[in-house]
Amino acid sequence: EPEVTQTPSHQVTQMGQEVILRCVPISNHLYFYWYRQILGQKVEFLVSFYNNEISEKSEIFDDQFSVERPDGSNFTLKIRSTKLEDSAMYFCASMKTGTGELFFGEGSRLTVL
Amino acid sequence: GENVEQHPSTLSVQEGDSAVIKCTYSDSASNYFPWYKQELGKGPQLIIDIRSNVGEKKDQRIAVTLNKTAKHFSLHITETQPEDSAVYFCAASKRAAGNKLTFGGGTRVLVKP
Repeated sequence: EPEVTQTPSHQVTQMGQEVILRCVPISNHLYFYWYRQILGQKVEFLVSFYNNEISEKSEIFDDQFSVERPDGSNFTLKIRSTKLEDSAMYFCASMKTGTGELFFGEGSRLTVL
Repeated sequence: GENVEQHPSTLSVQEGDSAVIKCTYSDSASNYFPWYKQELGKGPQLIIDIRSNVGEKKDQRIAVTLNKTAKHFSLHITETQPEDSAVYFCAASKRAAGNKLTFGGGTRVLVKP
């Protein structure tokens, strides 16, 4: 069964460092998302991406965040200068059509020290 | 924006008993309500969903009900088994093209053998 894959599974970084989280969505999917989950809290929407551009972003997704689909298969989330409060599990998700099921990856745990 | 509240936050049931989780939403324009199961260290997985033109949907031991007037929906798990132990999230969205999901806070379900 096709799945969304994410790397790394866990990254530890120093505050102020740049981090790139990578995702390979399911191959025939058209809509891509990043969500995050701070330990013990809700899963929160960050950004959605369709047709090579951001379609929606949340208040969390400020200038420190960016997304890219550089090569037609990978979908990346970059945090330019990490803060302690960026520590969370980051989930990538993809959807085949606009009204289809959202498939989540297993997440990348980011720890900012 | 949409706000989804979920209760209870934890639920302990005896194997074989039923479990019920309830969610309310705030945006009357929301028309799609999925339920996700998240096992430890994994991403959320869709277990059942319901659209606003349907009041109830069942899939084996899992059922979901929707009351649009009251803006609440519920997940019912019958004949619970230890493998049902997980965190369950409800969510809501407006099913226009690729619209984001807003999640509830999650319910940790423990099925005791």
